[in-house]
Amino acid sequence: GDSVTQMEGPVTLSEEAFLTINCTYTATGYPSLFWYVQYPGEGLQLLLKATKADDKGSNKGFEATYRKETTSFHLEKGSVQVSDSAVYFCALSNNAGNMLTFGGGTRLMVKP
Amino acid sequence: GAVVSQHPSWVICKSGTSVKIECRSLDFQATTMFWYRQFPKQSLMLMATSNEGSKATYEQGVEKDKFLINHASLTLSTLTVTSAHPEDSSFYICSASLQGAGQPQHFGDGTRLSIL
Repeated sequence: GDSVTQMEGPVTLSEEAFLTINCTYTATGYPSLFWYVQYPGEGLQLLLKATKADDKGSNKGFEATYRKETTSFHLEKGSVQVSDSAVYFCALSNNAGNMLTFGGGTRLMVKP
Repeated sequence: GAVVSQHPSWVICKSGTSVKIECRSLDFQATTMFWYRQFPKQSLMLMATSNEGSKATYEQGVEKDKFLINHASLTLSTLTVTSAHPEDSSFYICSASLQGAGQPQHFGDGTRLSIL
């Protein structure tokens, strides 16, 4: 079946540092890929998405490129802020019903 | 657009009580909604897929008689935790998406359920 693997956290960075959170997937066909962010005590918010190979999703300074050859969708941000502290989930959907398969989540902590 | 509202956000009740959680798509129609459970510091665990006008599809290991799901309209799905016990305490999250392949799921803000 489909699966998503993302780097374990927590990831601790200083403000303005460069962020990379690795995500790789296993799936048949051509899944759509997503990054979601969860702030403490809240539900998940869509951060960005990509629906086909070589697409780049971007939002709020975050970027991720759909790499089919490496089955990856790594999340990057050039300069993190304290307010980016949250849990980030990589996910894919591979069916008409848009059911998601999640990675385990990566907690990011940004220190001032 | 594509806002999902979940209510209540926090419930504390006695063991044996049944608790109903509502999930509404505010500005779109959702033939399918999803219910998740999340334990502390863990990822989301899919409990069931809620289909408008038909029975929900439960994931393996989820008791359908314990977690009753009703999806009576295109904008509302409910999850009822029947005769709740402390082990049912958790964070429950619903989601829905617009129709069409590749559409993202939009999530409610979650319901924290605490059973005393």
